[in-house]
Amino acid sequence: NAGVTQTPKFQVLKTGQSMTLQCAQDMNHNSMYWYRQDPGMGLRLIYYSASEGTTDKGEVPNGYNVSRLNKREFSLRLESAAPSQTSVYFCASSEAGQGVYGYTFGSGTRLTVV
Amino acid sequence: RKEVEQDPGPFNVPEGATVAFNCTYSNSASQSFFWYRQDCRKEPKLLMSVYSSGNEDGRFTAQLNRASQYISLLIRDSKLSDSATYLCVVKVYNQGGKLIFGQGTELSVKP
Repeated sequence: NAGVTQTPKFQVLKTGQSMTLQCAQDMNHNSMYWYRQDPGMGLRLIYYSASEGTTDKGEVPNGYNVSRLNKREFSLRLESAAPSQTSVYFCASSEAGQGVYGYTFGSGTRLTVV
Repeated sequence: RKEVEQDPGPFNVPEGATVAFNCTYSNSASQSFFWYRQDCRKEPKLLMSVYSSGNEDGRFTAQLNRASQYISLLIRDSKLSDSATYLCVVKVYNQGGKLIFGQGTELSVKP
């Protein structure tokens, strides 16, 4: 079982470059999420998609866009990368929004913007 | 004020010790509660859900006090392999079922 797959695992960008982080899940989950994790800040929600065809902003959406391509895939795009976006990015998926279901996380993308 | 607050630690304990982590949350609409474990440079993984009646999984016991908006995790007979960061997490249904994470408490178990 692959679970949640993120690509790439590592990336170095120059300021102003763009890139898309890919995420795919094979658990038939409805909801998908993008988080970033910075030292001392914990995980902060960037965007989420409660179901296919919907996306909503989280706590820190500025500088990012997302696309829920289908039920399996949820991508995160940085249009013009900034050093402040240096972070570890985690994608996650879960069953429907309510209930005692937790999340399954991907292994993360470590992004450095120079 | 952060929605979920934890003591960041680190907690340094010897093998076999009992260690307790505490967590408070501010949103009274929080409906589901979890403890996640995160190893260095890895993704968070679900350790256990937390129920109002309290629940136990082997050496791990979780408690929830809704009135005080307080969650705890007790680890008995700690092992070297328990060394990790423990994340307190709440799910708020009126926010699309999002999980809100505490900043984590680091545990280091020494021989």
